[in-house]
Amino acid sequence: KQEVTQIPAALSVPEGENLVLNCSFTDSAIYNLQWFRQDPGKGLTSLLLIQSSQREQTSGRLNASLDKSSGRSTLYIAASQPGDSATYLCAVVSGGSNYKLTFGKGTLLTVNP
Amino acid sequence: DTGVSQNPRHKITKRGQNVTFRCDPISEHNRLYWYRQTLGQGPEFLTYFQNEAQLEKSRLLSDRFSAERPKGSFSTLEIQRTEQGDSAMYLCASSLDRIPDHGYTFGSGTRLTVV
Repeated sequence: KQEVTQIPAALSVPEGENLVLNCSFTDSAIYNLQWFRQDPGKGLTSLLLIQSSQREQTSGRLNASLDKSSGRSTLYIAASQPGDSATYLCAVVSGGSNYKLTFGKGTLLTVNP
Repeated sequence: DTGVSQNPRHKITKRGQNVTFRCDPISEHNRLYWYRQTLGQGPEFLTYFQNEAQLEKSRLLSDRFSAERPKGSFSTLEIQRTEQGDSAMYLCASSLDRIPDHGYTFGSGTRLTVV
């Protein structure tokens, strides 16, 4: 059974700092990995999607990497802003799972002005 | 196309009442998923449809839960005889492909509070 772990559970940084969020998964046989952002009481917004054959994806100040063999992904946020404050969720689609997502518990990020 | 739409956004109900939620996926997406998220946890899979066929149900989906997707369009999730433990955010997602090369799109969710 696939399990996804996100570290740290919470992170507080001053504005302007670069930061890294970590995601690990137990079964490396994945199709892809997706990072989401969730604001309090809201739904999920997709940030980046990395296919199993890819090493990284970039969108603006966000960069996500994937090391499938070691079961790890990182989300790098450059020059953080207070508007980045949210919960960041990592999810994988595993083989034999009917292509459903398995989520971690998320990292709650607070960027202080 | 306005993305995945869920209604209502919030629902407060008394224990023992029945509730129904609706999800309208992106029109060309043939796969639709329901997830449940409790406070401080990641979303957990409940069930999924490919077109109108319900192909998998989680053990989390007790007999009080039923989901439908008539004609492969919108989907409804009904909870009968609600319990306080059903309080959660119910999220709907859709995807285009059999293998979701383009990822999933989520709706804004329905927050259920059972009092």
